[in-house]
Parts: sequence; structure tokens; C-alpha cells
Amino acid sequence: DQQVKQNSPSLSVQEGRISILNCDYTNSMFDYFLWYKKYPAEGPTFLISISSIKDKNEDGRFTVFLNKSAKHLSLHIVPSQPGDSAVYFCAARITQGGSEKLVFGKGTKLTVNP
Amino acid sequence: NAGVMQNPRHLVRRRGQEARLRCSPMKGHSHVYWYRQLPEEGLKFMVYLQKENIIDESGMPKERFSAEFPKEGPSILRIQQVVRGDSAAYFCASSPQLWQPQHFGDGTRLSIL
Repeated sequence: DQQVKQNSPSLSVQEGRISILNCDYTNSMFDYFLWYKKYPAEGPTFLISISSIKDKNEDGRFTVFLNKSAKHLSLHIVPSQPGDSAVYFCAARITQGGSEKLVFGKGTKLTVNP
Repeated sequence: NAGVMQNPRHLVRRRGQEARLRCSPMKGHSHVYWYRQLPEEGLKFMVYLQKENIIDESGMPKERFSAEFPKEGPSILRIQQVVRGDSAAYFCASSPQLWQPQHFGDGTRLSIL
């Protein structure tokens, strides 16, 4: 039961252009969404997040958009740089009974070509 | 991933042996989470602990797996009588309190021969 889906396993863009990574979810109990970036042989690094009560959050080159009615979020990177090449994971937080956990998608591998 | 320290980075065990994975959270963080990543998959939640307490172990297999976070020292994820299917990357994350982003270590890659 895949509650968080990243339907594109990979994405390739040219340096300087926009990268758009997409994520869909099914559980209405998710209250917070996060994007992590991961290089090989390293752990995920937190990038940016958004609360379920907002529809946009921006941090430098990174913007996350949330469409709650469509249960869809996206990460925009502009302009894209070769150093952005990594696997990007969408994660959704569920908080219940004093506990919280993250539910991850399978990731999208972004390649930014010089 | 500065701050959350996991060791060992790589661990090789034979079937039937025990595996112990250690995690020291970031300074000032008292919440620890363990996740497992199988090849080509996302990370899957296993357990959430605070000092001396298991808060949520809903993602832990019922047998052979246990976790602790003692008053002193690192959090330990223990896998008894390992099987080939336990081969995975195990990641630890920490946060200072609930509702703060979790920060991850670089993981322990467990290989079972």
C-alpha cells in the first residue's frame, strides 16, 4: 500500500532550466510534507518542507507547492545546477497518539546536465 | 549529514548471527527514529524512541528485531538470527522535539552472507 508515490523514477534537465519533481499521496491524515535529497552512500538531507495548511513554501532556489484537494505536491528547483544531481525523496508526516513517523516515496533520480 | 552518527557504516554477518547497529543523535536531540531502505525502495519507518522509552514500534518486525535508547549512550537497533532478507541500509534520524524535521545519519549497510 503505497501511500506516497513518486511516479517518475528519473528526470533529466539542462543546467539553468527548471526541475519539477512530483509527488502524490493518498492519506488525508498527513499533516506535513518534506523533501529530502540523497547522494549515494549518504543519508537523506532535509531540503524544504510545507505544512498541510499552506500551499507554497520557498527557500532560495527551492519552492514546494501543495495542492491539498488533488493530494499532490511538487518541488521546483530553479535554476537547476549540476550539484543538484541526486535522488529526491518526498516524505509525508503522520502524527498520532504522541508519535510521529515519516512515510517516504521511492524517490526520483534527478540528473542536471552541464 | 553532520551530527547524527551511525556505526558501523558497513556490517557483514552470516545467517544466524546477531547484528547491532548504533546511532548517536545530534547534540540536543532526544528523539530517535530508525528506518530501513531496501534496494530501489523508499525508506520505511521502523521505530521511534525517546530516552529510555519506545514510543512507537509499529514498523518493527514482530520477531528478531529490537531497539533501545538508554539514558546514557547511543540508540541500538538489534537484529537476532539474521536472514538474507535483512540485507538493507538502516538509517537513523533524530529531532529535538516532535514536529521538527528529522535529520538523518549516513546509514549502516547490512549484508548477510
